[in-house]
Amino acid sequence: GAGVSQSPSNKVTEKGKDVELRCDPISGHTALYWYRQSLGQGLEFLIYFQGNSAPDKSGLPSDRFSAERTGGSVSTLTIQRTQQEDSAVYLCASSLGSGWDTQYFGPGTRLTVL
Amino acid sequence: AQKVTQAQTEISVVEKEDVTLDCVYETRDTTYYLFWYKQPPSGELVFLIRRNSFDEQNEISGRYSWNFQKSTSSFNFTITASQVVDSAVYFCALRPGGTSYGKLTFGQGTILTVHP
Repeated sequence: GAGVSQSPSNKVTEKGKDVELRCDPISGHTALYWYRQSLGQGLEFLIYFQGNSAPDKSGLPSDRFSAERTGGSVSTLTIQRTQQEDSAVYLCASSLGSGWDTQYFGPGTRLTVL
Repeated sequence: AQKVTQAQTEISVVEKEDVTLDCVYETRDTTYYLFWYKQPPSGELVFLIRRNSFDEQNEISGRYSWNFQKSTSSFNFTITASQVVDSAVYFCALRPGGTSYGKLTFGQGTILTVHP
């Protein structure tokens, strides 16, 4: 079956611009996660959606970062007024539920802020 | 707080050698889950194995095996008879138990290079 998909695969933007990154989870998965992978910080958790519950936003690095999940499926991660330190690979994952369930990752979006 | 340490930054082996990747974790939770993921050059994180904190039975799955020791907070991963295709970055990860927690805490990763 189809895995987690993310778009775009690469995004180059200028400092100060807003960007939107999209994630399509595996069909039927109720939980969705965003992570960031950068050379300096490794793999970091950003935000977690579980069903209709309020998302866990504890990993968002600043208020320039936000995410939403519409209809319990597709998610968009928005970064406003991008900075050079936002350059990283943004990974999305989904799982059937939470607790036991394994997270399956998408291919990521490589964001470069010039 | 959760923490995962992979002390080996890089490992280089020759094909057919066995290789063990070390992982040490810290958590105050009594229930938790441990995972190993592989990230090949293509970049996608691929799930390999998982273990919950109540089950210390070590298993073998094909060329992969793992050694979970709660007493030393270690979750080591072994590849037997390594192959060139095993070259990748390997991440150990920890996840708290319960239904409300979702986030994985990752180690820094170990770069494995298998030479022909």
